[in-house]
Amino acid sequence: EAGVTQSPTHLIKTRGQQATLRCSPISGHTSVYWYQQALGLGLQFLLWYDEGEERNRGNFPPRFSGRQFPNYSSELNVNALELEDSALYLCASSNRLAGRNEQFFGPGTRLTVL
Amino acid sequence: AQSVTQLGSHVSVSEGALVLLRCNYSSSVPPYLFWYVQYPNQGLQLLLKYTTGATLVKGINGFEAEFKKSETSFHLTKPSAHMSDAAEYFCAVMMWNDMRFGAGTRLTVKP
Repeated sequence: EAGVTQSPTHLIKTRGQQATLRCSPISGHTSVYWYQQALGLGLQFLLWYDEGEERNRGNFPPRFSGRQFPNYSSELNVNALELEDSALYLCASSNRLAGRNEQFFGPGTRLTVL
Repeated sequence: AQSVTQLGSHVSVSEGALVLLRCNYSSSVPPYLFWYVQYPNQGLQLLLKYTTGATLVKGINGFEAEFKKSETSFHLTKPSAHMSDAAEYFCAVMMWNDMRFGAGTRLTVKP
């Protein structure tokens, strides 16, 4: 069974640009979660998508947005990049409909904002 | 809202020694509890989880954790540390699909 995949592995942008990060969940998983892991700040919850809908979002500004596609893959968009957006962005998926609540994580996308 | 506190941002043990990583949680209802491990430049890997039933949970790589409701704790242990256990460990609590992570504990294993 293939795990959660994320692309790209690394992304370098300059301040003010937009970044798009992609995530493919484990086959059969309908929920996708996004987390930001900045140096020294632990994992901060960003967004949760399930069945194509945004179900919850963390305490982040609106320039962090995303969507979930009919095949349950997901995209995270960060607009107007700021230096402090530099972080590892982790995607996770779960099989909520089957009552399985553990989240399985991808390897992450390392975003560097210069 | 639920929260997680991991006591000790860094723990150092000798190879073969007991590993004890502490986690305390707060939750208004019985929580689901998890331990994840993160190796350098990788995502998080699930070590073990507690949902209901037996309070002593065994996970991968010889780790186990015990849910103690009276102490609101879910400490992670391993009887004998191995060099390959060096990583960052995260405790997490989940309520209603809202998962909150602790700040993490970096485990160093000395030869």
